[in-house]
Amino acid sequence: DSGVTQTPKHLITATGQRVTLRCSPRSGDLSVYWYQQSLDQGLQFLIQYYNGEERAKGNILERFSAQQFPDLHSELNLSSLELGDSALYFCASSLHANTEAFFGQGTRLTVV
Amino acid sequence: AQSVSQHNHHVILSEAASLELGCNYSYGGTVNLFWYVQYPGQHLQLLLKYFSGDPLVKGIKGFEAEFIKSKFSFNLRKPSVQWSDTAEYFCAVNAPNYGQNFVFGPGTRLSVLP
Repeated sequence: DSGVTQTPKHLITATGQRVTLRCSPRSGDLSVYWYQQSLDQGLQFLIQYYNGEERAKGNILERFSAQQFPDLHSELNLSSLELGDSALYFCASSLHANTEAFFGQGTRLTVV
Repeated sequence: AQSVSQHNHHVILSEAASLELGCNYSYGGTVNLFWYVQYPGQHLQLLLKYFSGDPLVKGIKGFEAEFIKSKFSFNLRKPSVQWSDTAEYFCAVNAPNYGQNFVFGPGTRLSVLP
């Protein structure tokens, strides 16, 4: 157990819908990362937050947004979902911006 | 564009064979380097990390990696693989000078035959 908790574990939704994925970092970790993992794209970095502020942005679509709350948990919002958004979404946390990151179990999103 | 590359997409070995997985990155300056492993159906787990000091780092499960700065490489090694090492292996780089954290390579799938 890495100490990073993601909910839900599985999510099935229809095209056009909006979902929210939640991540609770390890106790004391200030930085949260979001990744999308699909078979054809590998592990794609989406966005990073550090102590509530956006720190870095990767290949995140405009339909996707995220935030980190004062208690340091983070949410990833995916809207106007398309079939191609089906993937495993991982959250990771680290103490600071450049220390080792620990990954959650992921949320498997299936868009039908 | 700055990136992380891994030499092999899929490696197949027999048990007890030696393993070396290549990783190269294109960031100059200070970097922190990591290898992660993802067992089938599971999340990524940290195998080992390099921040500074001895360029030969030892990790869990008998893995080690060597940082060669002049070659921008951080190759993962294990003298004798086991069937249980079957997994996907990812190299990752933190490059603070570029404001980039945890950029992952595409991964190498390792299949160990019993």
